[in-house]
Amino acid sequence: AQSVAQPEDQVNVAEGNPLTVKCTYSVSGNPYLFWYVQYPNRGLQFLLKYITGDNLVKGSYGFEAEFNKSQTSFHLKKPSALVSDSALYFCAVRDISGGSYIPTFGRGTSLIVHP
Amino acid sequence: GAGVSQSPRYKVTKRGQDVALRCDPISGHVSLYWYRQALGQGPEFLTYFNYEAQQDKSGLPNDRFSAERPEGSISTLTIQRTEQRDSAMYRCASSSTANEQFFGPGTRLTVL
Repeated sequence: AQSVAQPEDQVNVAEGNPLTVKCTYSVSGNPYLFWYVQYPNRGLQFLLKYITGDNLVKGSYGFEAEFNKSQTSFHLKKPSALVSDSALYFCAVRDISGGSYIPTFGRGTSLIVHP
Repeated sequence: GAGVSQSPRYKVTKRGQDVALRCDPISGHVSLYWYRQALGQGPEFLTYFNYEAQQDKSGLPNDRFSAERPEGSISTLTIQRTEQRDSAMYRCASSSTANEQFFGPGTRLTVL
């Protein structure tokens, strides 16, 4: 079984400050991990993924995420937040060990960046 | 290039009617997924296809829901005898690999 948790419904940060959106996962085997962003009235857009290799993954719009196997986490980070980063962020996991091609999404975290 | 498109964007129907939701994936994408998303929740898996073959339909809530992708491109999700609890955002996504997915804008279904 696979699952993902986003413990914060909402994250508030001031523009220019660093931001972190948390994600933890549970899989039986090895995970593929993803972050997506959803702007109002739009579909989900892919931000970045961890498949294998370097634990620090860089993605679109200056976002990055760090895969931490011991803590089963994949937190999304950005060094300096922009007001335009305000959106809904979804973490997703897929357990590749069982041969599944179906990802499980978290319930989402609303990021609000204040000017 | 064109992304994933879905139609209609909004559908209001009366309880008991059938509805068909369409998804046009990115050209050449092998995999096509259907999700349902309730307000304040992440996308919930319904079914997916590789080419024209339905690989997994374990997420379909009941036998009123069905999906097809007859030519390995456009897909239709059909809900028969709609009920109020079917009201939700229905999202389609396509993928060229087993990795990241590209989502359409969704169809907002309201059953009165």
